[in-house]
Amino acid sequence: GQQVMQIPQYQHVQEGEDFTTYCNSSTTLSNIQWYKQRPGGHPVFLIQLVKSGEVKKQKRLTFQFGEAKKNSSLHITATQTTDVGTYFCADSSNTGKLIFGQGTTLQVKP
Amino acid sequence: DSGVTQTPKHLITATGQRVTLRCSPRSGDLSVYWYQQSLDQGLQFLIQYYNGEERAKGNILERFSAQQFPDLHSELNLSSLELGDSALYFCASSVGTGEIYGYTFGSGTRLTVV
Repeated sequence: GQQVMQIPQYQHVQEGEDFTTYCNSSTTLSNIQWYKQRPGGHPVFLIQLVKSGEVKKQKRLTFQFGEAKKNSSLHITATQTTDVGTYFCADSSNTGKLIFGQGTTLQVKP
Repeated sequence: DSGVTQTPKHLITATGQRVTLRCSPRSGDLSVYWYQQSLDQGLQFLIQYYNGEERAKGNILERFSAQQFPDLHSELNLSSLELGDSALYFCASSVGTGEIYGYTFGSGTRLTVV
């Protein structure tokens, strides 16, 4: 069935350093959505990527969808302590259900 | 407040018992999704309802069942509970299926089975 692999599982960075999480699939992804879950919180929708090769930016966050639609990445420039949390990618299906990757937990040292 | 309401927030119960988790979707949303989040399993899709009908099923155990009522709220029933069922259970809603605005998650119900 659908499976989305996400790496790394954990990442510790110094405040101001960059951070990237990668999402990979052996099959073509339909659309990719990205979510952020703060510690003790619930997942919050960040963005959806639909087109092959698509790149979208939200302030310091850059989201990319691979040309073959088999991978995606989220890059954060100059991390801040407010970026702490777990970032999930999720593949959507035609029914709307989302299959989530395992998530990357980001810790930022001030 | 995300607009998706889940009750109760916390639940502690004994093995073998049955519990019901409740979810009210965001106003106007027709789809409701249930997810289980445990430390080592990430967010596992359980089941999806759209406008009262079951739309998709994931790795939901036979001991678990769900339904969506005419007013669109949904309930997840967990029976014959085991220690391994301890987890965070999230409900999410969306307007339809596959649209671009993503899911809106509730704050979850933390279930502890002792």
